[in-house]
Amino acid sequence: EVQLLESGGGLVQPGGSLRLSCAASGFTFSNYAMSWVRQAPEKGLEWVSGFSDSGGSTYYADSVKGRFTISRDDSKNTLYLQMNSLRVEDTAIYYCAKPGVAGVSWFDPWGQGTLVIVSS
Amino acid sequence: DIQMTQSPSSLSASVGDRVTITCRASQSINRHLNWYQQKPGRAPKILIYGASSLQGGVPSRFSGSGSGTDFTLTISSLQPEDFATYYCQQSYSIPLTFGGGTKVEIK
Repeated sequence: EVQLLESGGGLVQPGGSLRLSCAASGFTFSNYAMSWVRQAPEKGLEWVSGFSDSGGSTYYADSVKGRFTISRDDSKNTLYLQMNSLRVEDTAIYYCAKPGVAGVSWFDPWGQGTLVIVSS
Repeated sequence: DIQMTQSPSSLSASVGDRVTITCRASQSINRHLNWYQQKPGRAPKILIYGASSLQGGVPSRFSGSGSGTDFTLTISSLQPEDFATYYCQQSYSIPLTFGGGTKVEIK
């Protein structure tokens, strides 16, 4: 069974940093272009960052470019999101998501999410 | 960036009703359109991928259609467990983008 388990969320002040982790199991992690997707309170879904299907490139939403860094450790089957210079508007549940097929595609499954609150 | 516009943003319906949700892309995305269902406090769940392919385990009352810029999600006979928010998503190009969501409520 494919499982994704996020951790690392919490309360941080504006301008602060946080690193999220997503531990994956049940599939060959290195074969998939993993992504992070977030959802602000009572709002819709926003793709944040992801890998290319070759794994050689990373992509970011304009809203986080230059502040967030996605990375992965295939030896640990773990995806990361380093978030710096956090803003109040970054407050959201952050989900890691696996593509349904190798390459960029739909997401299946999603993790349960980790909540990030940016507030003074 | 490709903008995804869903309509309506919310609807009220009764059990047994046929429900249709539309999603329009700001440019052609061929059939790279996916639909998700999200219930309160839960992560989204894939229903339909590639515009019309039903994900395994998803009831056959859900169906998707369309290509290019205009797409539709149809629930043929609404069931109590279908009251949720539905999102479309394009996987044609990065950045991947979602529609604003359609909340299906009980009438």
